[in-house]
Amino acid sequence: DQQVKQNSPSLSVQEGRISILNCDYTNSMFDYFLWYKKYPAEGPTFLISISSIKDKNEDGRFTVFLNKSAKHLSLHIVPSQPGDSAVYFCATRIGRSQGNLIFGKGTKLSVKP
Amino acid sequence: DTGVSQNPRHKITKRGQNVTFRCDPISEHNRLYWYRQTLGQGPEFLTYFQNEAQLEKSRLLSDRFSAERPKGSFSTLEIQRTEQGDSAMYLCASSLPLANSPLHFGNGTRLTVT
Repeated sequence: DQQVKQNSPSLSVQEGRISILNCDYTNSMFDYFLWYKKYPAEGPTFLISISSIKDKNEDGRFTVFLNKSAKHLSLHIVPSQPGDSAVYFCATRIGRSQGNLIFGKGTKLSVKP
Repeated sequence: DTGVSQNPRHKITKRGQNVTFRCDPISEHNRLYWYRQTLGQGPEFLTYFQNEAQLEKSRLLSDRFSAERPKGSFSTLEIQRTEQGDSAMYLCASSLPLANSPLHFGNGTRLTVT
């Protein structure tokens, strides 16, 4: 039973427009959320994170929004660039478990020039 | 920044053979993690070390799997009597010993069991 769900396997966006990637989770005890980006033949790269005490965190073109009541988070990329084309994973953990990140299945983003 | 290094990048083995993978973390990171990723899935946690102590193990880590980090630096992951279901990308990551410190992943070792 998946605790972290990324329901869109793929997303295609035009360069310069906004990309919105979504993630739903099941356990209200999750207290920290992360987004990772993965290019082919490379390991995942940390992108941005958010604590459950916040509802928004911004880093340059990347913003993560957290809606605790809906158990939903989203990653906004504005403006999207072709180099953003990659698989994006949402991840979370419970409390003190520092190592055990639970990942979604990923969403493949394609940004077209 | 040399990043997390994993060797080999690819390993093809026959069912029943033993394999060992190596991970060299970022030098100042004392936490080291092993994950496994299969096609169409996100990475799945296997185990985690702080220095040489193995602090968490997933139930995915069957008796055929053993991970070590003898001197608190590099780590090895051994799979004994490999099965076809072991075919996957094995990812190593490291992090600083700080709360919410992000994991830095290596490029992985792709295992194919024939």
